[in-house]
Amino acid sequence: EPEVTQTPSHQVTQMGQEVILRCVPISNHLYFYWYRQILGQKVEFLVSFYNNEISEKSEIFDDQFSVERPDGSNFTLKIRSTKLEDSAMYFCASHRVRLRGEQYFGPGTRLTVT
Amino acid sequence: AQTVTQSQPEMSVQEAETVTLSCTYDTSESDYYLFWYKQPPSRQMILVIRQEAYKQQNATENRFSVNFQKAAKSFSLKISDSQLGDAAMYFCAIDGNQFYFGTGTSLTVIP
Repeated sequence: EPEVTQTPSHQVTQMGQEVILRCVPISNHLYFYWYRQILGQKVEFLVSFYNNEISEKSEIFDDQFSVERPDGSNFTLKIRSTKLEDSAMYFCASHRVRLRGEQYFGPGTRLTVT
Repeated sequence: AQTVTQSQPEMSVQEAETVTLSCTYDTSESDYYLFWYKQPPSRQMILVIRQEAYKQQNATENRFSVNFQKAAKSFSLKISDSQLGDAAMYFCAIDGNQFYFGTGTSLTVIP
């Protein structure tokens, strides 16, 4: 069964450094998402991406964040200058059709900022 | 705006018994989907069950079923014959104009 994959599974970085989190969505999916889950808290929407551009973003997704689909398979989330409060699990998800429905989640990347 | 409320931060159930997790929501959308996701200690998000708002019939998936009350904006999850592997965080979520999660219910299964 096709699945969303994410790399790395765990990333440790120093405050102020740039990080890139990578996702490979399911191949025939057209809509892509990033979510964040701070430890012990709920999953929060960051951004959605369709047709090579951001379709929606939350107030969390400020200028420090950017997303890109550099080729036909990868979908990346970049944090330019990490802060301690960026420590969280980051989930990528993808979605096949225009109609709303199930999103398939990746296993997550645990980001630790020290 | 959309909101999802899970009023039970923690629940416990005896193995083989039945437990119901509560979820209420609010949305201005007329067409939306509702989901229950399970998050075990591995923190992977696993879809348990989904419900299309336009369908009156409650969704079921093996031991998991929902009680969808559209007028009351309620979407509870019933787990029958609870197993040790059901122990996890359970998140209710709505997909209307955006995907929103509730704060989660931590389910403990007692052997």
